[in-house]
Amino acid sequence: GGIITQTPKFLIGQEGQKLTLKCQQNFNHDTMYWYRQDSGKGLRLIYYSITENDLQKGDLSEGYDASREKKSSFSLTVTSAQKNEMAVFLCASSINWAAEQFFGPGTRLTVL
Amino acid sequence: QQQVRQSPQSLTVWEGETAILNCSYEDSTFDYFPWYHQFPGESPALLIAIRPVSNKKEDGRFTIFFNKREKKFSLHIADSQPGDSATYFCAASITGNTGKLIFGLGTTLQVQP
Repeated sequence: GGIITQTPKFLIGQEGQKLTLKCQQNFNHDTMYWYRQDSGKGLRLIYYSITENDLQKGDLSEGYDASREKKSSFSLTVTSAQKNEMAVFLCASSINWAAEQFFGPGTRLTVL
Repeated sequence: QQQVRQSPQSLTVWEGETAILNCSYEDSTFDYFPWYHQFPGESPALLIAIRPVSNKKEDGRFTIFFNKREKKFSLHIADSQPGDSATYFCAASITGNTGKLIFGLGTTLQVQP
């Protein structure tokens, strides 16, 4: 078994602020993902990474940057926080690109 | 355009009934179709998945029916229990395409005792 840890659990920022969300997994999975979940809506892919140092844009990458510093960690940066992007940000990982994705507990972003 | 459509948006059934959740897709190259469930306050978790080599996949009370010709698949939850109340997301992806899942918007299921 393994676990995905996301920090912080709650993130409050000011409009226009640069904010960073972190994700760690100890599954030893190759592939990691960042999703955004708006209230009552589905999951939209922001960025994903097939392996260490790889980055691929998802459907919602504008306004975000990502970094896969090492195999176990994947960070997401909101480059300039906006009030309309208050949501839960979910990190996920999978052993490879064809396998089940395991999700972390999420970071809830509030923009003041 | 890759898109996965899910219906209904919300569904209420009585305990013991079969709940039916539907999904359709547009891209005929999709070849992996998972269902995830998400309980309130929790993260999504894989429930069951199917590949188009078969048109049915069962796991206990949960069954996926897959219709390749119509590009539709559905999740049937037999003998629904109040503990099944959750939001269910269908998704689709192309094997070999880095595992990028396209999620539907979800169906919120309420099972009344």
